[in-house]
Amino acid sequence: GAGVSQTPSNKVTEKGKYVELRCDPISGHTALYWYRQSLGQGPEFLIYFQGTGAADDSGLPNDRFFAVRPEGSVSTLKIQRTERGDSAVYLCASSLGTSADTQYFGPGTRLTVL
Amino acid sequence: KQEVTQIPAALSVPEGENLVLNCSFTDSAIYNLQWFRQDPGKGLTSLLLIQSSQREQTSGRLNASLDKSSGRSTLYIAASQPGDSATYLCASGNSGNTPLVFGKGTRLSVIA
Repeated sequence: GAGVSQTPSNKVTEKGKYVELRCDPISGHTALYWYRQSLGQGPEFLIYFQGTGAADDSGLPNDRFFAVRPEGSVSTLKIQRTERGDSAVYLCASSLGTSADTQYFGPGTRLTVL
Repeated sequence: KQEVTQIPAALSVPEGENLVLNCSFTDSAIYNLQWFRQDPGKGLTSLLLIQSSQREQTSGRLNASLDKSSGRSTLYIAASQPGDSATYLCASGNSGNTPLVFGKGTRLSVIA
């Protein structure tokens, strides 16, 4: 079956613009995670959904970042007033239910803020 | 707060050599420990998942061990091949439903 997919694969934007990043999890996976990976670093947690609700959003760096998962499947990560420091690879992962299960990662979206 | 450390940051070995990658974590109250592979410009591929009640997991030439009391995990790769060249990341799944905490990874190069 299909794995986790993310669109776009690359996004270049200008400072101050708004961007949306999309994640399509594996069908049937109720848990969905967003991570951010900077060059030479491991992924850092942003937000975790269980179904439609955000179970843990403690990793969001500030209120410019927001994510939704309205129907419990596809999720969108939204970044307002982008800054150069937001440049990174944004990774999405899904799992069957909890963090105790294997997480399956998408290929990521590389965001570049000029 | 859980912290995960991976040593070494980079490793270069000749083809055919057996090697060990190290991962340490500060909080032993983990649910599981997961090892991933990441190729340049790609996402993460799960290699092995060790539950907290287990001591090791094996898949092909890969063997991962977990010692919760000492806060350590190792990934053993037997008979390394050039195709094993990638960055290897370990991540702890902590108690409850908290997400994974990653190390910075070990960049492995296997020279033919």
